[in-house]
Amino acid sequence: DAKTTQPNSMESNEEEPVHLPCNHSTISGTDYIHWYRQLPSQGPEYVIHGLTSNVNNRMASLAIAEDRKSSTLILHRATLRDAAVYYCILRDGSGGSNYKLTFGKGTLLTVNP
Amino acid sequence: KAGVTQTPRYLIKTRGQQVTLSCSPISGHRSVSWYQQTPGQGLQFLFEYFSETQRNKGNFPGRFSGRQFSNSRSEMNVSTLELGDSALYLCASSLWTGRDNSPLHFGNGTRLTVT
Repeated sequence: DAKTTQPNSMESNEEEPVHLPCNHSTISGTDYIHWYRQLPSQGPEYVIHGLTSNVNNRMASLAIAEDRKSSTLILHRATLRDAAVYYCILRDGSGGSNYKLTFGKGTLLTVNP
Repeated sequence: KAGVTQTPRYLIKTRGQQVTLSCSPISGHRSVSWYQQTPGQGLQFLFEYFSETQRNKGNFPGRFSGRQFSNSRSEMNVSTLELGDSALYLCASSLWTGRDNSPLHFGNGTRLTVT
């Protein structure tokens, strides 16, 4: 099963950009890279996903390496509400039925005021 | 649009009992997946259902089972509860599964405590 590796924790200051890295060296050609975040006492929340090209939405940007073995979630201006555990996962987009969705331990992001 | 609804929010059971958890997906979503979250193991995939059929299953014993109804609502059942089954059980729905690769929308989970 393809897996991801993330730092256990990162710290940022409010209104500064944050770059959250994720390594996925065993990614397959049909795996999409998804990012979710989880606030205390809540279920994970979808942030962004992509396949090969960089992606932007109102929450964040996703930068995907050319060889797709790593990606970076970019929060352009961190706010206190962005403090959460961020998960990078691979989700099979081939239509096959034999994949197992794997979450890593995630990165705990602390945002300092 | 209402989000994913999980009931009950909290549950306390005794070892050896069984439990059924319920998940109502976002309207129009046909795929429902279940996850177990514990401090030690993190988020672990249990199984995924689409159109009433189990499409994928994680590495959990047979005591963990699930089903999906024609209205896409899903239930998961854990029989012969063990202390180690204490966890937050999360349900997620998505429009489709496979090629569409639509995002997962999670509920806030059911906190199960086994004593």
